[in-house]
Amino acid sequence: EDQVTQSPEALRLQEGESSSLNCSYTVSGLRGLFWYRQDPGKGPEFLFTLYSAGEEKEKERLKATLTKKESFLHITAPKPEDSATYLCAVQVGSNYKLTFGKGTLLTVNP
Amino acid sequence: EAEVAQSPRYKITEKSQAVAFWCDPISGHATLYWYRQILGQGPELLVQFQDESVVDDSQLPKDRFSAERLKGVDSTLKIQPAELGDSAMYLCASSLAGQGGNEQFFGPGTRLTVL
Repeated sequence: EDQVTQSPEALRLQEGESSSLNCSYTVSGLRGLFWYRQDPGKGPEFLFTLYSAGEEKEKERLKATLTKKESFLHITAPKPEDSATYLCAVQVGSNYKLTFGKGTLLTVNP
Repeated sequence: EAEVAQSPRYKITEKSQAVAFWCDPISGHATLYWYRQILGQGPELLVQFQDESVVDDSQLPKDRFSAERLKGVDSTLKIQPAELGDSAMYLCASSLAGQGGNEQFFGPGTRLTVL
């Protein structure tokens, strides 16, 4: 059974304090790994897709990396507006279905 | 900017009543997904359509849930009768899966509360 585990469950940072979120996965035949941001009461917002080990993608203060067992979402010099839940999901097989982790709730204090 | 539309945004109902949710995907997206998200959890797939055909409904509680996408564009998810445990966020997403794009784009969701 495909498993996606995100850690920590919650992370509180001071503005400017860089850190990383982890997404570890156990799947057969990874097609892609996805990162989403979700604000309270809203739908997930697409951030990145990673397809192969060693791949990296960046967007503003966020950088996502992928190994054969896990992905990291690095947040550099975060701002309060980066506060949200960050969801990781894996896509396996041929039907494009996403299996999500439970998410990491990030709070950035000014 | 193209977006996935959902309505209503909020729905409060009593148990044993029927409820229905509507989704209009991004224009041109042949693949449409319905997810359920319980507070504090990640979304879980209920049903996936490719055009008007169901591709995956293995996690859909078929005794009370039904979904349709008659013309291969917009879609409706229905629950009858609603139970207390159905309280959750119902999310619709669409993608170009099978047409060259894997990314799924989500709508704002419908928050269902069953009393």
